Amino acid sequence: DGGITQSPKYLFRKEGQNVTLSCEQNLNHDAMYWYRQDPGQGLRLIYYSQIVNDFQKGDIAEGYSVSREKKESFPLTVTSAQKNPTAFYLCASSTGNLAKNIQYFGAGTRLSVL
Amino acid sequence: LAKTTQPISMDSYEGQEVNITCSHNNIATNDYITWYQQFPSQGPRFIIQGYKTKVTNEVASLFIPADRKSSTLSLPRVSLSDTAVYYCLVDYNFNKFYFGSGTKLNVKP
Repeated sequence: DGGITQSPKYLFRKEGQNVTLSCEQNLNHDAMYWYRQDPGQGLRLIYYSQIVNDFQKGDIAEGYSVSREKKESFPLTVTSAQKNPTAFYLCASSTGNLAKNIQYFGAGTRLSVL
Repeated sequence: LAKTTQPISMDSYEGQEVNITCSHNNIATNDYITWYQQFPSQGPRFIIQGYKTKVTNEVASLFIPADRKSSTLSLPRVSLSDTAVYYCLVDYNFNKFYFGSGTKLNVKP
């Protein structure tokens, strides 16, 4: 099965704790993205990566960190500096073709604060 | 930034054709227009993409006028399962993608 796998599906964070959301793809895509979605809202870009070992901040990067050590993996860490982390987190990937950049999404991780 | 503007919500009945229009006044020459569908608690799913004129696939059609400052997603004969949020995106410079709030389509029986 080709696609994007996010884990876990549900995650709970305690105050002051860092948590890491996993995103793996076997589509051989160069580009990967992390979005945050709050209830009733659209998606907001947190970080994106065009190639391995490179990533760029999106619109709401504060309180988050990422790494891109392997082409197929783009984990997102929600740090204790993110004071309002409760949201639905979506990972996506794309070929990175500048002209026709179609993104494919995972099933999402729902993060809540205990 | 080539941000997009869409209606917040639309209502329709089963079997009707639904047209959702998106404005993107600042679209650049190289930008494509892409539409996604999202169901609650799921990731968005690609529907259709186009550059100009008309594109059709098995689920939808996309109409783009010559000036490319807007586009219209057409869903033929909608069913209850088409109730979802629809997002219009303009891919600008492989940089930041602006999903906005999308259009919430409610299909009634």
